[in-house]
Amino acid sequence: GQQVMQIPQYQHVQEGEDFTTYCNSSTTLSNIQWYKQRPGGHPVFLIQLVKSGEVKKQKRLTFQFGEAKKNSSLHITATQTTDVGTYFCAGPSGGYQKVTFGTGTKLQVIP
Amino acid sequence: GAVVSQHPSRVICKSGTSVKIECRSLDFQATTMFWYRQFPKQSLMLMATSNEGSKATYEQGVEKDKFLINHASLTLSTLTVTSAHPEDSSFYICSARDPDTRTDTQYFGPGTRLTVL
Repeated sequence: GQQVMQIPQYQHVQEGEDFTTYCNSSTTLSNIQWYKQRPGGHPVFLIQLVKSGEVKKQKRLTFQFGEAKKNSSLHITATQTTDVGTYFCAGPSGGYQKVTFGTGTKLQVIP
Repeated sequence: GAVVSQHPSRVICKSGTSVKIECRSLDFQATTMFWYRQFPKQSLMLMATSNEGSKATYEQGVEKDKFLINHASLTLSTLTVTSAHPEDSSFYICSARDPDTRTDTQYFGPGTRLTVL
């Protein structure tokens, strides 16, 4: 079945440093979504990318969808303590409206 | 964005009892809802797709007789964990897609933390 892997699994950064998480799918995706889950919380939708090579920005967050539509990345510039959480990518998984979540990257920001 | 609620947020029960979790879409109608389970430090694993007015579709390896799903209305889906055992302890999260957004965006409920003693 479809697999969506993310690296790294964990990342500790000093506040102010940049952070990047990479998402790789075993199959081509029609779109990729990114979610953030704070400790003890539930996933919250961040963004959806649809086009090959698409790049979108949300303040300090930059999202990129690969040309082959099998990989994606999330880059955070100058991390803040509010960025702490686990970031998941997710892609459609064949069934009606179903998505497969990536393995997630847990970000810790050291003040 | 769309709002999805879940109740209860936390439940502790004895082994062998059944627990019902409710998932509601508050400001939109959801013909389809999804139930996920998340173990500590792990990703979300889809358990089943809840379809309004019809049987749920279960993922491979998920026991349909143990995890009963009912989607009786366009705004409510319930997950009942029957004869719960300690290994069923987990974080259960539901989600729904807002059909008006024309995207695959999933809106998640706040989750239910189940502890089976």
